[in-house]
Amino acid sequence: SQKIEQNSEALNIQEGKTATLTCNYTNYSPAYLQWYRQDPGRGPVFLLLIRENEKEKRKERLKVTFDTTLKQSLFHITASQPADSATYLCALAKGGGATNKLIFGTGTLLAVQP
Amino acid sequence: DAGVIQSPRHEVTEMGQEVTLRCKPISGHDYLFWYRQTMMRGLELLIYFNNNVPIDDSGMPEDRFSAKMPNASFSTLKIQPSEPRDSAVYFCASSSPGGHTDTQYFGPGTRLTVL
Repeated sequence: SQKIEQNSEALNIQEGKTATLTCNYTNYSPAYLQWYRQDPGRGPVFLLLIRENEKEKRKERLKVTFDTTLKQSLFHITASQPADSATYLCALAKGGGATNKLIFGTGTLLAVQP
Repeated sequence: DAGVIQSPRHEVTEMGQEVTLRCKPISGHDYLFWYRQTMMRGLELLIYFNNNVPIDDSGMPEDRFSAKMPNASFSTLKIQPSEPRDSAVYFCASSSPGGHTDTQYFGPGTRLTVL
């Protein structure tokens, strides 16, 4: 079955630096991959989606890359701010036609220090 | 739109009691998902519906769990009888594929504590 690995340890960075979060998967390449943000006590909120035929996607200070050879996605936040502190989840769309069925990683906690 | 609405936000019950969690998806969304989130296992999909019909319930942990969607604007997740290991945050999400994304919109969750 598909396994997703995200850094279980918190990532601490200084304000203004670029945060890079990693999502690795072990089995089939998904049709697409999504990144969500989750704040304490709240549900996940969608950030970005990247499809298997796309190498990179950007949205404001966010950038996602997708390498199907390495079976890895990287999520970058440039010019990070304390308000970016949250848990970031990656989610893969299961193949075989069930593209709405997402498998989530356990998330990486990002802490941006002022 | 108010977004996905879940109730109650917090539920504390004793082992053996029946628990019912409720969800109202975003109007017009034809997919509804129930997830469970724990520190150990992360966010796990329990079941999802399309046009009120259950499509995949392979994530439902055991027969004590059941879910229904009687109409397009309401779904329930029931645990009977509840056990302490069911303590978790339960999320409902909805989506409307066909656009350029299959984004899922999550509700605020129900934090369930079974004593």
